[in-house]
Amino acid sequence: GESVGLHLPTLSVQEGDNSIINCAYSNSASDYFIWYKQESGKGPQFIIDIRSNMDKRQGQRVTVLLNKTVKHLSLQIAATQPGDSAVYFCAENIESGTASKLTFGTGTRLQVTL
Amino acid sequence: DAGVTQSPTHLIKTRGQHVTLRCSPISGHKSVSWYQQVLGQGPQFIFQYYEKEERGRGNFPDRFSARQFPNYSSELNVNALLLGDSALYLCASSSYGELFFGEGSRLTVL
Repeated sequence: GESVGLHLPTLSVQEGDNSIINCAYSNSASDYFIWYKQESGKGPQFIIDIRSNMDKRQGQRVTVLLNKTVKHLSLQIAATQPGDSAVYFCAENIESGTASKLTFGTGTRLQVTL
Repeated sequence: DAGVTQSPTHLIKTRGQHVTLRCSPISGHKSVSWYQQVLGQGPQFIFQYYEKEERGRGNFPDRFSARQFPNYSSELNVNALLLGDSALYLCASSSYGELFFGEGSRLTVL
């Protein structure tokens, strides 16, 4: 069935280091992938997205890589800062006309140590 | 610009009661989606509405219902509350695919 999962539930990195958060997905029909950041007590915040016709997309300090061959998605955060501490979710979206449904993974908690 | 707004932010109910959660989308967004997020898990899709019509439904019982109004705001209703309905209920609005989430309504069922 459809599922999006993460390899590591908790990732601890030192401030200034780069972070890599991984995600596996199982639905080959998914054509759109999104990374969200969720801070405690808040709703998910959009970080970056990528469509299935791309394999890399860069934003400000963040890069998303998509490997469709092995159904793997990763989020790279450069020069990790204390404000990056949060739970990160990958989500896949199967769009059908105007209906879209996000399937989220369970999340990875990123802890930034000083 | 105002983001997605949800009310109430927190509420406590007892088993068997009914709850109504409200959502106002970002101005100009015609699509509203609802998600349930149980503590420690990722959000799960409940409903999507577009132009007042239901366009998608997740794997939730009929106790869950929703509607969208002409101004694109939306309500999520849950009847006969169970302890397991305790969760953060998230509303998201979208225009061209990207979902913008509100801060959620935290429901506690005792």
